Amino acid sequence: KQEVTQIPAALSVPEGENLVLNCSFTDSAIYNLQWFRQDPGKGLTSLLLIQSSQREQTSGRLNASLDKSSGRSTLYIAASQPGDSATYLCAGKYSGAGSYQLTFGKGTKLSVIP
Amino acid sequence: NAGVTQTPKFRILKIGQSMTLQCTQDMNHNYMYWYRQDPGMGLKLIYYSVGAGITDKGEVPNGYNVSRSTTEDFPLRLELAAPSQTSVYFCASSLGTGGDWVTEAFFGQGTRLTVV
Repeated sequence: KQEVTQIPAALSVPEGENLVLNCSFTDSAIYNLQWFRQDPGKGLTSLLLIQSSQREQTSGRLNASLDKSSGRSTLYIAASQPGDSATYLCAGKYSGAGSYQLTFGKGTKLSVIP
Repeated sequence: NAGVTQTPKFRILKIGQSMTLQCTQDMNHNYMYWYRQDPGMGLKLIYYSVGAGITDKGEVPNGYNVSRSTTEDFPLRLELAAPSQTSVYFCASSLGTGGDWVTEAFFGQGTRLTVV
């Protein structure tokens, strides 16, 4: 069974710091990996999608990487701001059986302190 | 851009009541999904649809039903609501599942359901 794990569950950093959020997955047959942001009481906003053939994707201050061999993805946030405070979820889509769904981690709750 | 729209945003049900959670998307996406999110847990797939008239069970389908009569709409029906169905429900859509560029998923704002 595919599993996606995010550690730590919560992270607090001072404003301006660069930070890395981690996501690990158990099956190297991953098709793509998507990072989402969720604000309290809100839906999920797609941040970045990395295909299995790619190693990284960038959008503004965000950079996501994917290493299938080690079963890891990271989301790098540069020069963090209080507005970055949210829960960040990663989700993997796998080929083969179950390819219709995303397998989600439980998220990392990020607090950026002014 | 409307994207994926869910109604209602909040609802309180009594045990044994029924209700339908509405979901519509305006992106002409083929795939639609219903997930539930419980505190401290990852999102779990309830049902999904690959196109109008085609639906299938996900990981946690018990107590729910779906239909897909049009490309745009994918309602989720709760029959005989139970406290275990207290959760936040998210509808999502994607253009397809084949080929890298078509698989990005877009989510609605969620429906927060409490069963008392």
